[in-house]
Amino acid sequence: AQSVSQHNHHVILSEAASLELGCNYSYGGTVNLFWYVQYPGQHLQLLLKYFSGDPLVKGIKGFEAEFIKSKFSFNLRKPSVQWSDTAEYFCAVNEDGANNLFFGTGTRLTVIP
Amino acid sequence: GAGVSQSPRYKVAKRGQDVALRCDPISGHVSLFWYQQALGQGPEFLTYFQNEAQLDKSGLPSDRFFAERPEGSVSTLKIQRTQQEDSAVYLCASSPGVPEAFFGQGTRLTVV
Repeated sequence: AQSVSQHNHHVILSEAASLELGCNYSYGGTVNLFWYVQYPGQHLQLLLKYFSGDPLVKGIKGFEAEFIKSKFSFNLRKPSVQWSDTAEYFCAVNEDGANNLFFGTGTRLTVIP
Repeated sequence: GAGVSQSPRYKVAKRGQDVALRCDPISGHVSLFWYQQALGQGPEFLTYFQNEAQLDKSGLPSDRFFAERPEGSVSTLKIQRTQQEDSAVYLCASSPGVPEAFFGQGTRLTVV
């Protein structure tokens, strides 16, 4: 079965610090990859997605992620975080041709002003 | 509305009680998903509909869980004889086509 690992459970950063959140998955075939964000009290929102093509994808709010197939990774990055980025971040993987998403356990990001 | 709407937002049930959770997907979205999110975990897939057809129910944890989408729009997730381990947030998501999904705010179920 597919598994998605997010090794950072809680990350605390000061404003303007750089961010990298790790995501690794286990499926060896073709995958579609996603990062979702959940701000306090709100629903899960899509941050960015990768289906094919350029492995470096850019999302909303200055976030980007890089798909490295050889490492089964899809790490999320942002060069300079803001207090408003405080949220929980979930990596999700879809096996190409399948219907559902497999989610990691999430990383809680706290940005200190 | 513009997004996926779920009701109720919160539900407290006594152990053994039946509950019904409702999902209004984004208008025109063919695909509808239910996920279960336990405390401190990521969402886990329960079931998938394409229009009114339930194409995948492999994630339903027991036969106490039942989902329907009779007219290909609104969906209901029913849990019979609730147990404490059913306590979780139940998320509904819809999509114009897989695999991308748009999520609702969820229903937090607490079984006491």
